[in-house]
Amino acid sequence: IAGITQAPTSQILAAGRRMTLRCTQDMRHNAMYWYRQDLGLGLRLIHYSNTAGTTGKGEVPDGYSVSRANTDDFPLTLASAVPSQTSVYFCASSDSRRFSYNEQFFGPGTRLTVL
Amino acid sequence: GQNIDQPTEMTATEGAIVQINCTYQTSGFNGLFWYQQHAGEAPTFLSYNVLDGLEEKGRFSSFLSRSKGYSYLLLKELQMKDSASYLCAVLDSNYQLIWGAGTKLIIKP
Repeated sequence: IAGITQAPTSQILAAGRRMTLRCTQDMRHNAMYWYRQDLGLGLRLIHYSNTAGTTGKGEVPDGYSVSRANTDDFPLTLASAVPSQTSVYFCASSDSRRFSYNEQFFGPGTRLTVL
Repeated sequence: GQNIDQPTEMTATEGAIVQINCTYQTSGFNGLFWYQQHAGEAPTFLSYNVLDGLEEKGRFSSFLSRSKGYSYLLLKELQMKDSASYLCAVLDSNYQLIWGAGTKLIIKP
């Protein structure tokens, strides 16, 4: 793989079900991010990780959890999905050690519908 | 609070020039990014400004005025493939990106 990948591409999920969105990068970036993008709103940060083994909460963390067991993978879990979590989810990564230039690279996104 | 404003939608003609404005109020400033996002795709990096002035990169240029909390993206010689959303984002004092809602640019022949 080259860059950052996400799976699945799209998913329809019943409310109350548990779901994990996968994200993998091969750029050896230290930082990774999960965003949701809703029509008319900007990208909103859900959770982030500045390095393997650490995570932090973003602007809209409720109902989501993440883990960062290694540099490459950053899964996002919805413990019990609700319809308001219907959105497009983007995973991104960056080399944030270069503090003066924090360009983020995005995965192709996962379109999630919760019914 | 932190706020980034940009127009929701703009329309321009193929071959023309368009300027997309972005104003921001954030807790700290460590640079401003412009990203392009085609419908159904991921955002891709266009430009980064941290010092005042104009940065030119081919048909695209980006301007920053830190004292005014203002930036613009200038697109010249518009092509149909430039139809996309353009996202303004500011790196705040915690080195987190704060995103505007994006400007949808429609190019007409």
